[in-house]
Amino acid sequence: GAGVSQSPSNKVTEKGKDVELRCDPISGHTALYWYRQSLGQGLEFLIYFQGNSAPDKSGLPSDRFSAERTGGSVSTLTIQRTQQEDSAVYLCASSHTRTTSYNEQFFGPGTRLTVL
Amino acid sequence: GEDVEQSLFLSVREGDSSVINCTYTDSSSTYLYWYKQEPGAGLQLLTYIFSNMDMKQDQRLTVLLNKKDKHLSLRIADTQTGDSAIYFCAELSGGYNKLIFGAGTRLAVHP
Repeated sequence: GAGVSQSPSNKVTEKGKDVELRCDPISGHTALYWYRQSLGQGLEFLIYFQGNSAPDKSGLPSDRFSAERTGGSVSTLTIQRTQQEDSAVYLCASSHTRTTSYNEQFFGPGTRLTVL
Repeated sequence: GEDVEQSLFLSVREGDSSVINCTYTDSSSTYLYWYKQEPGAGLQLLTYIFSNMDMKQDQRLTVLLNKKDKHLSLRIADTQTGDSAIYFCAELSGGYNKLIFGAGTRLAVHP
């Protein structure tokens, strides 16, 4: 079956512009996560959606970052007024927490964002 | 706060065993994981261990957990060139909320 997909795979933008990154989770997965991987760094948690509950936004680095999940499926991560330090690979993951107790998260291929 | 640390680089000869180490800080973590990232590919879950276990073996992979020292290790037996990748240690934090990752260990396998 299809895995987690993300688009675009690469995005180059100018400083100050807004960008939208899209994530299509695995069908039926109730949980969706966004992470950021900066060069030479581990993955940094950004935000978590679980069903219809309020999202856990505790990892968002500033109010320029926001995310939505429409209809419990597709998610969009928006970065407003991009800065050069926003350059990173943005990874989306999904999981079906009711299926496994160990909560395996399935990752997409990521979107590489470059802010010039 | 939560923090996961691992060494950044490991080089081994093909056929030898590789041992990748990790330390974590959240003693309430229920699960700990090893993920593998190959060039151009997404993260893939390799194995995991529940916090009440000391060891878990899965074919060539052995995970050891020392809860007292908050130390996790991944041993790969008979390392092959196809094992060359970045290996991330992660702990599950906040219930099912999020994974806290280390910076990753780049494993290079040479003939």
